[in-house]
Amino acid sequence: AQSVTQLGSHVSVSEGALVLLRCNYSSSVPPYLFWYVQYPNQGLQLLLKYTSAATLVKGINGFEAEFKKSETSFHLTKPSAHMSDAAEYFCAVSEILTGGGNKLTFGTGTQLKVEL
Amino acid sequence: DSGVTQTPKHLITATGQRVTLRCSPRSGDLSVYWYQQSLDQGLQFLIQYYNGEERAKGNILERFSAQQFPDLHSELNLSSLELGDSALYFCASSVEASRFTEAFFGQGTRLTVV
Repeated sequence: AQSVTQLGSHVSVSEGALVLLRCNYSSSVPPYLFWYVQYPNQGLQLLLKYTSAATLVKGINGFEAEFKKSETSFHLTKPSAHMSDAAEYFCAVSEILTGGGNKLTFGTGTQLKVEL
Repeated sequence: DSGVTQTPKHLITATGQRVTLRCSPRSGDLSVYWYQQSLDQGLQFLIQYYNGEERAKGNILERFSAQQFPDLHSELNLSSLELGDSALYFCASSVEASRFTEAFFGQGTRLTVV
């Protein structure tokens, strides 16, 4: 089974500072990785996805993530945090299941707080 | 707006009762997934349907069942409800049943069992 681990359940940054949210994966096959964001009382919104086309993936709202096979990591970054970035962020890996189905396996999430 | 519609947004019911959660996928999406989000378990995959047929099962209790109808909308039925079933239930949809394609999530149904 594939899995992802998010280090740091809570991250706090100042507005304008670099955002770095960590995700490490475990997979016996080339992984397909995703970052989702969940704003309070909202559903999950896709930020970006890695499907092996390029190691540096750009997403919405100025976020990007870099796939590093040697480190089994897919960390999410944003050069300058904005107050509106305060939310919970989930890393996920997609895997094929018996019978041809598929599912996302999520990390435990990182709550990002942005302070003035 | 992801294009995935879930109803109702909130549901409060008593233990032992049965409820039905409804999901309309994005236009053109054939695959529907159900996930449960709770404080202690996080986001857990429940079940997947593709074009009307069950494709994969996850940590779904026997008291829970789902189906996908010919118009591709899906329903998740939860019966003999327990306090521990209180959670946020998400539906997601994707074009195909492939690990390569991203899933788009609805706003969720918050179920409270009292």
